[in-house]
Amino acid sequence: AQKITQTQPGMFVQEKEAVTLDCTYDTSDPSYGLFWYKQPSSGEMIFLIYQGSYDQQNATEGRYSLNFQKARKSANLVISASQLGDSAMYFCAMRVRNQGGKLIFGQGTELSVKP
Amino acid sequence: DAGITQSPRHKVTETGTPVTLRCHQTENHRYMYWYRQDPGHGLRLIHYSYGVKDTDKGEVSDGYSVSRSKTEDFLLTLESATSSQTSVYFCAIREPGGRETQYFGPGTRLLVL
Repeated sequence: AQKITQTQPGMFVQEKEAVTLDCTYDTSDPSYGLFWYKQPSSGEMIFLIYQGSYDQQNATEGRYSLNFQKARKSANLVISASQLGDSAMYFCAMRVRNQGGKLIFGQGTELSVKP
Repeated sequence: DAGITQSPRHKVTETGTPVTLRCHQTENHRYMYWYRQDPGHGLRLIHYSYGVKDTDKGEVSDGYSVSRSKTEDFLLTLESATSSQTSVYFCAIREPGGRETQYFGPGTRLLVL
C-alpha cells in the first residue's frame, strides 16, 4: 500500500534553532516524488521542497533541506534557523503514478516556534 | 505565485442542495485536481482532470462530479450536499516537467448544515 506517515502531531522549537520533521513513506514503485508543503493558519498550501526517488543528492531550498534516506524510506524536512513565521502545519506528500499522479498526504505536523 | 483562484472562498448551504465550486487557472496547465481536507485525514483526492473534457475519479469521489469545458476552469459539483461533505476543498494544478509539482489554490471552506 502507498502511504505517508508523519508520527509527530506537534512540535516546539526555539527561535533560531534547527528542527527536523519526520516523514516515512511506503511504496513499491521505484519512481516517485516526495514533497513538503506548509500550511499556515491562514489555510493556504505552500510548496516548500521536492525530492525525486532517483535524485542522488538531498534537496535544499534556502533554509529548508530534505534528509532523504531511501533505504529507510524516510524523507525528513530540516528547517534551519527557525523563525516565528515558520509556525504552521507541515505536510509530507508522495506523488504516485496512478490516478493522474495524485499526491498522497500524511496527517501533518504542527510546528510552533517559540521566541 | 501560481495563478490559481477558487470561488467561492466560503459557503454555507443546507443538506440536499446542489453546490458548485470553481477553480480557475491562468497557467494553461493540463492537469488539475480537487482535494478535500478533513481533520485526521490530511488531503484526499476527489477527482482530477488531464485535459478538456477528460476527467477521472479519485479516492473519495462518491457524491461529487466534475466538469472541465475549458483548460482554465475545473468545476466541482456536489449534486445533493450532505453534512459529511463539510470540508475544506482545494484545487491544484500540476506543473509539467520532471518534478510535476502541484500548486494549490487558496481553498474553499464549505459548511453543510
